[in-house]
Amino acid sequence: TQLLEQSPQFLSIQEGENLTVYCNSSSVFSSLQWYRQEPGEGPVLLVTVVTGGEVKKLKRLTFQFGDARKDSSLHITAAQPGDTGLYLCAGCISGTYKYIFGTGTRLKVLA
Amino acid sequence: KAGVTQTPRYLIKTRGQQVTLSCSPISGHRSVSWYQQTPGQGLQFLFEYFSETQRNKGNFPGRFSGRQFSNSRSEMNVSTLELGDSALYLCASSLAGTSSYNEQFFGPGTRLTVL
Repeated sequence: TQLLEQSPQFLSIQEGENLTVYCNSSSVFSSLQWYRQEPGEGPVLLVTVVTGGEVKKLKRLTFQFGDARKDSSLHITAAQPGDTGLYLCAGCISGTYKYIFGTGTRLKVLA
Repeated sequence: KAGVTQTPRYLIKTRGQQVTLSCSPISGHRSVSWYQQTPGQGLQFLFEYFSETQRNKGNFPGRFSGRQFSNSRSEMNVSTLELGDSALYLCASSLAGTSSYNEQFFGPGTRLTVL
């Protein structure tokens, strides 16, 4: 069974704090996506990483793909209440068009 | 460019009934995937269609089926509904080009409630 373990599952922090979310797997991915989802809505794509060791920045969000393309992290600097939501990682299994999703990290940023 | 659309957004059915959900992908996208999302199980992959053929399948019973039309629009059908089928059903589309850079874009989902 191919799994994508995401941690932590829940995170409640104060505005202005930093945080990191992790996704880990034993599978090698050809690409990995990070999404944010609001209640009752579909996930919205934040970023795609493809190359091992790649780092992408999206304003206060920094995404990193592991060298072996099996893991990834999302770091948020100076979190704001607008960052509240469910963060999901999804990996496309190398050589296939099949995706596996992490269990999600539910982030709440308190003002 | 319009995003992925799903209809209906909300649906209430009773046990034993069947339901059909519809998904229109982003223009030019040839792959459509379906997912079931529940609080307890997270996002579970149902199946993926590409050029009217089911290319990948998750571990769901045969009551869950789908199809894709020549214009890439897709439908998902669930027969003999059970209470446990209550979930948010999400459709995602992608270009399905080379697998090295393949992004999925999600629709808003259909919230199905089975009573």
